[in-house]
Amino acid sequence: GQQLNQSPQSMFIQEGEDVSMNCTSSSIFNTWLWYKQDPGEGPVLLIALYKAGELTSNGRLTAQFGITRKDSFLNISASIPSDVGIYFCAGHTITGNQFYFGTGTSLTVIP
Amino acid sequence: NAGVTQTPKFQVLKTGQSMTLQCAQDMNHEYMSWYRQDPGMGLRLIHYSVGAGITDQGEVPNGYNVSRSTTEDFPLRLLSAAPSQTSVYFCASSYSRFDQPQHFGDGTRLSIL
Repeated sequence: GQQLNQSPQSMFIQEGEDVSMNCTSSSIFNTWLWYKQDPGEGPVLLIALYKAGELTSNGRLTAQFGITRKDSFLNISASIPSDVGIYFCAGHTITGNQFYFGTGTSLTVIP
Repeated sequence: NAGVTQTPKFQVLKTGQSMTLQCAQDMNHEYMSWYRQDPGMGLRLIHYSVGAGITDQGEVPNGYNVSRSTTEDFPLRLLSAAPSQTSVYFCASSYSRFDQPQHFGDGTRLSIL
C-alpha cells in the first residue's frame, strides 16, 4: 500500500506557540485530508484539500496542498491545551479506490 | 442523530475464537468502511462497501469478512482470531465513495490472547 510519512512523530510545545507538521507521499495525490484524534475516540475531520497549492483554514488551523501534490502541511497557531491529540494526514491517489493514512503526529501542549 | 455507533467498545478473545464487530450509522450514508489502527502504522483499510449488497477488499482484508445487507449496518467478522489481529478497529461512513471518510465511530479495542 501507499506510505505516508508524517513528521514529526511527536511534539511537546508551550501553550501559545505555533505548530507545524507535514506529510509526504511517494505518489501523487488528488485529495489531502487532516484529522485529529482524541484519546479513546475516532478521528475527526479537520480540513480537506482538493487542489495543488490550495490553502484552507479552519479557525486556528491552516493546511496546504503541496505544489508537487506529494505533500501537505498543517499549521496550528497560538496552541491551547485542547489541541492535544494525534493528528493524521490522509490522501487519495488519482487512480486508487481508497484513502491512505499517515502514521500520526502526537501533540502535547504544556500549559 | 447518533452518527456512527460501534459495539462492543472492548473485547478480549482467545486465539481461534470468532466474533463480530458491529457498526451502525443513521445518516443514510452509502459508503462504509472498516479500518484497523496499530501503533506506528496509521489507519489501514480492511474492507469497504459502496452500498447495500456491495462489498470489496481494502489493504489488509485477510482474516476478516464483511456483509452489507442494509444501508445502516456493516458488521466485521473475525473468522478465527489470531494475536496479530489485536488492534483498535474503526468504522467510518460517508455519503458516497467519492467523499472522504467523514464520520468515524469511537472504535473497538480488541485483544487476542
